[in-house]
Amino acid sequence: DVKVTQSSRYLVKRTGEKVFLECVQDMDHENMFWYRQDPGLGLRLIYFSYDVKMKEKGDIPEGYSVSREKKERFSLILESASTNQTSMYLCASSQTGLRGFYFGPGTRLTVT
Amino acid sequence: AQSVSQHNHHVILSEAASLELGCNYSYGGTVNLFWYVQYPGQHLQLLLKYFSGDPLVKGIKGFEAEFIKSKFSFNLRKPSVQWSDTAEYFCAVTTGYGQNFVFGPGTRLSVLP
Repeated sequence: DVKVTQSSRYLVKRTGEKVFLECVQDMDHENMFWYRQDPGLGLRLIYFSYDVKMKEKGDIPEGYSVSREKKERFSLILESASTNQTSMYLCASSQTGLRGFYFGPGTRLTVT
Repeated sequence: AQSVSQHNHHVILSEAASLELGCNYSYGGTVNLFWYVQYPGQHLQLLLKYFSGDPLVKGIKGFEAEFIKSKFSFNLRKPSVQWSDTAEYFCAVTTGYGQNFVFGPGTRLSVLP
């Protein structure tokens, strides 16, 4: 079974803090993704990576950055958290060809 | 840019009713189509997928979907829903050379016992 794990299920941070969300997959997938999920808006892509040290902006990259130093790990960074970044963050991975997407359990981040 | 729309934000049905959730996408080329389900408090899970061949696709838990290319649609159906089908359903599309999934906004299904 493919496993995509995320470092925290729930996180509470203060405005202005730097926040790291970690994602690890164990199936040697090339592609990894970070989405945020908000009611009524579905899943919106923040950033994705198709190889180590490669990254591409998604639809809503503002206020976020990413790091992919190793193939199995994809980190999402909120440089200075704001209340409008309160959301559910989902990591996903897939093989080249995108014929299947595997999601992590999600991290519910609350910024106060 | 590709986009995916889902017709209903929230659908409420009684058990044993038939279900059809609409999904339309905007892309003229080759597409791969997916339906994902998210049960309360759980991961997103794949329900079914279409890559090519028979446009009527059967998935898990009695769900099926029909790809109608001329209508750019991939509607999800189930003949008789159960209370345990209460969840949020997401349609998604990738293109032949895409590097990303594009998701619809989701449809919340509530099944009343």
